[in-house]
Amino acid sequence: EDQVTQSPEALRLQEGESSSLNCSYTVSGLRGLFWYRQDPGKGPEFLFTLYSAGEEKEKERLKATLTKKESFLHITAPKPEDSATYLCAVHRSARQLTFGSGTQLTVLP
Amino acid sequence: EAQVTQNPRYLITVTGKKLTVTCSQNMNHEYMSWYRQDPGLGLRQIYYSMNVEVTDKGDVPEGYKVSRKEKRNFPLILESPSPNQTSLYFCASSLQGDQPQHFGDGTRLSIL
Repeated sequence: EDQVTQSPEALRLQEGESSSLNCSYTVSGLRGLFWYRQDPGKGPEFLFTLYSAGEEKEKERLKATLTKKESFLHITAPKPEDSATYLCAVHRSARQLTFGSGTQLTVLP
Repeated sequence: EAQVTQNPRYLITVTGKKLTVTCSQNMNHEYMSWYRQDPGLGLRQIYYSMNVEVTDKGDVPEGYKVSRKEKRNFPLILESPSPNQTSLYFCASSLQGDQPQHFGDGTRLSIL
């Protein structure tokens, strides 16, 4: 059965304290791994797509990496505005996504 | 502005009273999908549509119906809502099924 597990469930950081979020997956025939950001009262907002092991993508203070079994979202010197829930999802077919439960990140000033 | 619009944003109703949640996108996307989001369970797919008149079940389709008569609209129908359908619902669209999806801002349904 396809599974996506995110850890930790919640993470509190001080402003400037770098850390990483983990997304481990088991899926037959990965067609892509997506990272989304979700703010309270809003729908998920697309951040990155990764397709193959070794691939990396960066955007401001965020960097996503992919291996054959997991993906990491590295947050460098976070700011309070980075506080959100970060969702990982894998494409298990051309039509369907499986989402993880998310990591709720809080960055304290 | 490119967007996915859901209505209503909030609804409290009673068991058995049919309701429809509308979803419209202005990006000429082929693919549309409905999800429900519950604490600890993440986003789960209810139904999806690859194109007009083409719909298929997701992971949790029981108790829901959809239709895709026009490319831009993808309504979610609960013909006889029950309390276990109380949830936060999201509509999403993308150019193709394997592309990043754009999400609406959600509809919070409470079924009493």
